[in-house]
Amino acid sequence: GESVGLHLPTLSVQEGDNSIINCAYSNSASDYFIWYKQESGKGPQFIIDIRSNMDKRQGQRVTVLLNKTVKHLSLQIAATQPGDSAVYFCAEYGGATNKLIFGTGTLLAVQP
Amino acid sequence: ETGVTQTPRHLVMGMTNKKSLKCEQHLGHNAMYWYKQSAKKPLELMFVYSLEERVENNSVPSRFSPECPNSSHLFLHLHTLQPEDSALYLCASSLGQNTGELFFGEGSRLTVL
Repeated sequence: GESVGLHLPTLSVQEGDNSIINCAYSNSASDYFIWYKQESGKGPQFIIDIRSNMDKRQGQRVTVLLNKTVKHLSLQIAATQPGDSAVYFCAEYGGATNKLIFGTGTLLAVQP
Repeated sequence: ETGVTQTPRHLVMGMTNKKSLKCEQHLGHNAMYWYKQSAKKPLELMFVYSLEERVENNSVPSRFSPECPNSSHLFLHLHTLQPEDSALYLCASSLGQNTGELFFGEGSRLTVL
C-alpha cells in the first residue's frame, strides 16, 4: 500500500549547523513531493516541493533531494536558526489516488 | 497570516452537544479541505470540496457533517462525538483541487468529554 514515513521522529541540532530531515515513500507513481513545516500552535505551512522528474531543488536556505531509486526524500536546512524549530512533514501527491498523503512528521529542535 | 481563518480556536464539548467549526479563506481558492490531526499520526483527510461540491468523503463517520455554502466558507458540524474524536481539526484551501500546495488555517482544538 501507499505510505510516507520519516526515519527520525526527533532531530536536535545546534544553531548554525545544517539540518537534514529524511523521508521514505513507497508509491513510485507519485507525481511530486512536498515538505511542510508546522510550528507550535499553527497549521502546516508549505515550504518547498519537487517534481518526480527532478533530483534536486533549492529554495531559500532549504534544499530538497529526491532519490527515486531508493524512494527517499530529504530536506536540508542550511544554518539552522531557532525559528526553524517545528515539526516537518513530507507528503506525496499523485499516483493512482491523486491525493496528498502526509507522513507522521519529524520534530526539529534547534539548540541555542 | 495564511489567509485561512478558523473559529473557534478551542472547543470543549460533551458527547451529546452539537457544535460547528467554521473556516473562511480570503485567497480566492476553489478547493477547501478538512483534515484531522491526532498525536503521533499523519494528517487524515476528511473531506474535500471543489467549487462548493463535495468531491471526497474519506470514510468519515456521520457524526461529522461538512457544509460548504460558497467557495470561501466551510463548516464542520459536530454531533454526538466520542472522546476519541478529540484532535486538532485543520481547514485548508488550494487554488484548484489537483495540487499538493495547500494553505492551512491554525486549526480548531477540539476536546470531547
